[in-house]
Amino acid sequence: AQSVAQPEDQVNVAEGNPLTVKCTYSVSGNPYLFWYVQYPNRGLQFLLKYITGDNLVKGSYGFEAEFNKSQTSFHLKKPSALVSDSALYFCAVRDKPSGGYQKVTFGIGTKLQVIP
Amino acid sequence: DTAVSQTPKYLVTQMGNDKSIKCEQNLGHDTMYWYKQDSKKFLKIMFSYNNKELIINETVPNRFSPKSPDKAHLNLHINSLELGDSAVYFCASSLKGTGEYEQYFGPGTRLTVT
Repeated sequence: AQSVAQPEDQVNVAEGNPLTVKCTYSVSGNPYLFWYVQYPNRGLQFLLKYITGDNLVKGSYGFEAEFNKSQTSFHLKKPSALVSDSALYFCAVRDKPSGGYQKVTFGIGTKLQVIP
Repeated sequence: DTAVSQTPKYLVTQMGNDKSIKCEQNLGHDTMYWYKQDSKKFLKIMFSYNNKELIINETVPNRFSPKSPDKAHLNLHINSLELGDSAVYFCASSLKGTGEYEQYFGPGTRLTVT
């Protein structure tokens, strides 16, 4: 079984400071990992993903995430937070396929509040 | 030009009624999904179709019936609506259903059952 955990319900950060939104996973094989963002009253938007290769993944809006296999983590980071980054962030995971179709499991979401 | 569209955006109805939500994607993707997001923002997959074929069917009451007339459309019909069905329903699509492709989400349909 696969699962993903986002240990923080909410993260508060001052504008201009670096931000981190945490995600850990548990899968039986090599994971495929994703980050999505949801602004109020909108659908989720894809930010970035790790499938294979370089552990540091760069995505939209200046976000990046680092895949850490030993710690089974995929934390989302940004060097300098903007007020407009305030939103709900979802980490998602699925096992590397052994064939066929697989579903993606989403975390419970972390609300990021950037304080002016 | 909207990639994944859903109609209606809002749906208010009474218990016991039957309603449908429509979804269309113009991305040429093979795979489409229905998700339910509850009031606590938990996101749970309900169904997935690949090129009109049902490939994921989670534990969902059989009052919920998806239908995919072609690979660009995935509709959701709900019979005998209950209060607990109130939620935001999201349609999504991905290039293929093998899991390495990101999903594109529609704007959501907010269903309120009174």
